[in-house]
Amino acid sequence: AQRVTQPEKLLSVFKGAPVELKCNYSYSGSPELFWYVQYSRQRLQLLLRHISRESIKGFTADLNKGETSFHLKKPFAQEEDSAMYYCALFSGGYNKLIFGAGTRLAVHP
Amino acid sequence: KAGVTQTPRYLIKTRGQQVTLSCSPISGHRSVSWYQQTPGQGLQFLFEYFSETQRNKGNFPGRFSGRQFSNSRSEMNVSTLELGDSALYLCASSMTSGGASYEQYFGPGTRLTVT
Repeated sequence: AQRVTQPEKLLSVFKGAPVELKCNYSYSGSPELFWYVQYSRQRLQLLLRHISRESIKGFTADLNKGETSFHLKKPFAQEEDSAMYYCALFSGGYNKLIFGAGTRLAVHP
Repeated sequence: KAGVTQTPRYLIKTRGQQVTLSCSPISGHRSVSWYQQTPGQGLQFLFEYFSETQRNKGNFPGRFSGRQFSNSRSEMNVSTLELGDSALYLCASSMTSGGASYEQYFGPGTRLTVT
């Protein structure tokens, strides 16, 4: 079955602390993975995709096929990073995104 | 470029009624997908349209339907509304219908409340 798991509903850290938002997936084939972010009162927007291997707003994510993971990391969290983060898997056979349940990141001053 | 727009933004309906939601994609985008977002089930795929054709449908009852027009605008319809249909309905558009460059741009959503 194709599935995305985000084990943490809430991740609470202090400003300046490292952040790791976990994402595991189940997919037979070569996965295409994304991280989406939703800030308060804003629409869902793409943060980054694994294929581009770029860093956006200091966030990076590495695809680990052996562990079927695509964890999102940032070395020093900022208060403006507080948001809901969704990991998503593109299901090519069904032409759709499969989303995880999301993790709320709260960065405290 | 203007982003994805959805109308109306908020809607209150009564059980048994039907509702139509509208989505205007980014200019030039031919693929429109619809998602239902609820606190309990999260983001769930409803269906995707590309060039006026429904290419894929999620696991929702037949009461949920949609269509896409020649200008890529899309509508979704829910008939015989149930309380459980209360949700945020998101529309997303993309230039392609998959592939390595796949990127979906989301609208602000329509908040549907069924009483």
